[in-house]
Amino acid sequence: DAGVIQSPRHEVTEMGQEVTLRCKPISGHDYLFWYRQTMMRGLELLIYFNNNVPIDDSGMPEDRFSAKMPNASFSTLKIQPSEPRDSAVYFCASSLVGTSGGADTQYFGPGTRLTVL
Amino acid sequence: TQLLEQSPQFLSIQEGENLTVYCNSSSVFSSLQWYRQEPGEGPVLLVTVVTGGEVKKLKRLTFQFGDARKDSSLHITAAQTGDTGLYLCAGPARGAQKLVFGQGTRLTINP
Repeated sequence: DAGVIQSPRHEVTEMGQEVTLRCKPISGHDYLFWYRQTMMRGLELLIYFNNNVPIDDSGMPEDRFSAKMPNASFSTLKIQPSEPRDSAVYFCASSLVGTSGGADTQYFGPGTRLTVL
Repeated sequence: TQLLEQSPQFLSIQEGENLTVYCNSSSVFSSLQWYRQEPGEGPVLLVTVVTGGEVKKLKRLTFQFGDARKDSSLHITAAQTGDTGLYLCAGPARGAQKLVFGQGTRLTINP
């Protein structure tokens, strides 16, 4: 079974450019999460979707960030315009609400390492 | 706001030694998870603890959930270089299908 797929794995761009990160969740999962990870701030939740609908975008840092999920198998995170402080590793994760009694397992993709010069 | 604090933030020890890392909160969590993240990869779930006082073992790793469900610990016996990585604890946010993550413990096992 394929896990969560993210592309590109690495992105280097110049300040002011538009950046689009892509994610394909695990088939059948109904939740999709976008995270940003830096050494200083750790793993931060940016936004999450349930059945393609955005539920909580309170972690999106500012209007330069936007995320969409047009269907159950694809999501994008866009930064426009990008700034050097956006440099980080961006992770996509998916999960399936279950009945285990505990928190649902989140399955993470390999991440996209973004560098904004 | 539910927060998870992990300690230590960094730990570097020799292969064969034992270690314990901690995950603490002032809030009660219905469960806690531990993830391990290796360089260049995303976090991977190791274990979920659900019941206060629960102890789970995964080979040389022992996970414990505090009786009051406000804290958890991870003990590694006879650490190996393959245990190197970032260990993250996480708990479900109250009333939402999202996780609260600690800032992580970066563990280095030296040969």
